[in-house]
Amino acid sequence: AQSVTQPDIHITVSEGASLELRCNYSYGATPYLFWYVQSPGQGLQLLLKYFSGDTLVQGIKGFEAEFKRSQSSFNLRKPSVHWSDAAEYFCAVGANNAGNMLTFGGGTRLMVKP
Amino acid sequence: GAGVSQSPSNKVTEKGKDVELRCDPISGHTALYWYRQSLGQGLEFLIYFQGNSAPDKSGLPSDRFSAERTGGSVSTLTIQRTQQEDSAVYLCASSKDRVNYGYTFGSGTRLTVV
Repeated sequence: AQSVTQPDIHITVSEGASLELRCNYSYGATPYLFWYVQSPGQGLQLLLKYFSGDTLVQGIKGFEAEFKRSQSSFNLRKPSVHWSDAAEYFCAVGANNAGNMLTFGGGTRLMVKP
Repeated sequence: GAGVSQSPSNKVTEKGKDVELRCDPISGHTALYWYRQSLGQGLEFLIYFQGNSAPDKSGLPSDRFSAERTGGSVSTLTIQRTQQEDSAVYLCASSKDRVNYGYTFGSGTRLTVV
């Protein structure tokens, strides 16, 4: 069965600084990988997804993520964080043989200092 | 509709009462999922519907929880004899019939059991 680990529960960065949120997955084949963002009181919004091909994927709001098979990682990055990026971020992994199921990590809460 | 709609957005109920939570998925999405998000926790899978297949109920925490999906569209999650530990945000998501499309989430129902 697949699993996802987000090692950082909380991260605080200064506005304008770069950001990297870590995600490690466990799955026997090439997974489908996703990052979602949840603002306070809201549902989850899809930031980006990886299926195959180019291992660097671009998403909305200036985010990107890189799939590294050798490290079983799919870290989320942003070169310059804005105060509005403060939210909770979830990494998820899916596989066709898992019945369309996505398995989510525990989330990373991002705080942005002015 | 344009997005996944959940109702009510907030529900306060007394311990021991039954509650029903509703999810209206995106038209044409064959897959529907219920997740639970407790305070400070990640997403806990509850149940999954795919087309006319039998639902995957493996995530339901007890027999007090049940869900149905009528006509392959609207879904209702029912919690009988609510307990305080049932307090959480209940999120519904829908997707097309392949996992690599990802999910579209509703805004959730915040359930408080007093």
